[in-house]
Amino acid sequence: QKEVEQNSGPLSVPEGAIASLNCTYSDRGSQSFFWYRQYSGKSPELIMFIYSNGDKEDGRFTAQLNKASQYVSLLIRDSQPSDSATYLCAVNSFSGGYNKLIFGAGTRLAVHP
Amino acid sequence: ETGVTQSPTHLIKTRGQQVTLRCSSQSGHNTVSWYQQALGQGPQFIFQYYREEENGRGNFPPRFSGLQFPNYSSELNVNALELDDSALYLCASSFGQLEAFFGQGTRLTVV
Repeated sequence: QKEVEQNSGPLSVPEGAIASLNCTYSDRGSQSFFWYRQYSGKSPELIMFIYSNGDKEDGRFTAQLNKASQYVSLLIRDSQPSDSATYLCAVNSFSGGYNKLIFGAGTRLAVHP
Repeated sequence: ETGVTQSPTHLIKTRGQQVTLRCSSQSGHNTVSWYQQALGQGPQFIFQYYREEENGRGNFPPRFSGLQFPNYSSELNVNALELDDSALYLCASSFGQLEAFFGQGTRLTVV
């Protein structure tokens, strides 16, 4: 079982719609969760992080965390073609006295006009 | 703009050669982590340096080594390059092991 799982996509949504990206993780001890956006050929860009159960909103982005279900999601409202990218879910893992990020393989989002 | 700068942005090496990648951390960040991202995959943790000491390592062989300097800049060295080492190498800096900000990455191609 992979430690962080995401649907690879592509997830195709029309412009203006809500895009819903999902991620599950296996380490119940994880405390911090991150969403990165990665355009083709570029490095990942941090767009959201969430530590507590519930929702966290930042502009058009909402991160949702459910620790009991080991599930984190990212909603993008009013999707724009410029949102087309790969979205990486990352989970903080504390082991051996240090923290590291464990990434999923990413979900490719395509927003079409 | 994250304030994390990596160099070079691209390079091509021959199998068996050695390579050094560099990272300049964001001001005030004392922790630097290196990740390898193969095509179509998520980044994989290589190792982490905190105050010039390696304090964590992922599942990578010893030919992957690193350094962190007093100004918190860092190097990743890879010896005896293999074709599978072709990837995007990412440096991330953080303070107190909070959220990680990546540099623009170094695209390494091994031929």
